[in-house]
Amino acid sequence: QKEVEQNSGPLSVPEGAIASLNCTYSDRGSQSFFWYRQYSGKSPELIMSIYSNGDKEDGRFTAQLNKASQYVSLLIRDSQPSDSATYLCAVNMRGLTGGGNKLTFGTGTQLKVEL
Amino acid sequence: GAVVSQHPSWVICKSGTSVKIECRSLDFQATTMFWYRQFPKQSLMLMATSNEGSKATYEQGVEKDKFLINHASLTLSTLTVTSAHPEDSSFYICSGGLAGGTQYFGPGTRLTVL
Repeated sequence: QKEVEQNSGPLSVPEGAIASLNCTYSDRGSQSFFWYRQYSGKSPELIMSIYSNGDKEDGRFTAQLNKASQYVSLLIRDSQPSDSATYLCAVNMRGLTGGGNKLTFGTGTQLKVEL
Repeated sequence: GAVVSQHPSWVICKSGTSVKIECRSLDFQATTMFWYRQFPKQSLMLMATSNEGSKATYEQGVEKDKFLINHASLTLSTLTVTSAHPEDSSFYICSGGLAGGTQYFGPGTRLTVL
């Protein structure tokens, strides 16, 4: 089992729709969870961080965390063509790495927002 | 968000030469800096983790004598690719880390070895 799993996609959604991106992780002791966006040929850009169970909203983005199910998701409302990118889920797996700030990344989900 | 710079943004070098890449956290002090490599259409691969004033911790399979990391201050880390070969051509990205796991990435350095 991969430590952080994401569906590689591509996930295609029409403009204006809600895009739902999902991620599961293996370390039950994980404390910090992040979503990054990476455009082709560019470096990752931090979108959201979430630390507690429940929802966290920032503009059109909502991160959802369920530690019992070891599941974190990202919702993008009113999707725009400019949201087309690869979305990386990252987890600070303190339980496995023994602490520190190292992140374990999923392989990313490619999102395509179509006109 | 916090800003991390990298220099150069791209470099072309001949096989056998060494290349140094600088990574700076511009508006924060990074507890830890990380170096990643990404091949086309592949995911990020962590190469090493470095803390200011101490030796870097390399991931399994990464040659520490080939990829030299120096972390001189809380705002500057350098990666030197020694005796570069065409298979070292890649996109190298650094990040500055904060307590709690947040990492801010630099814009990356595209290395091409001829």
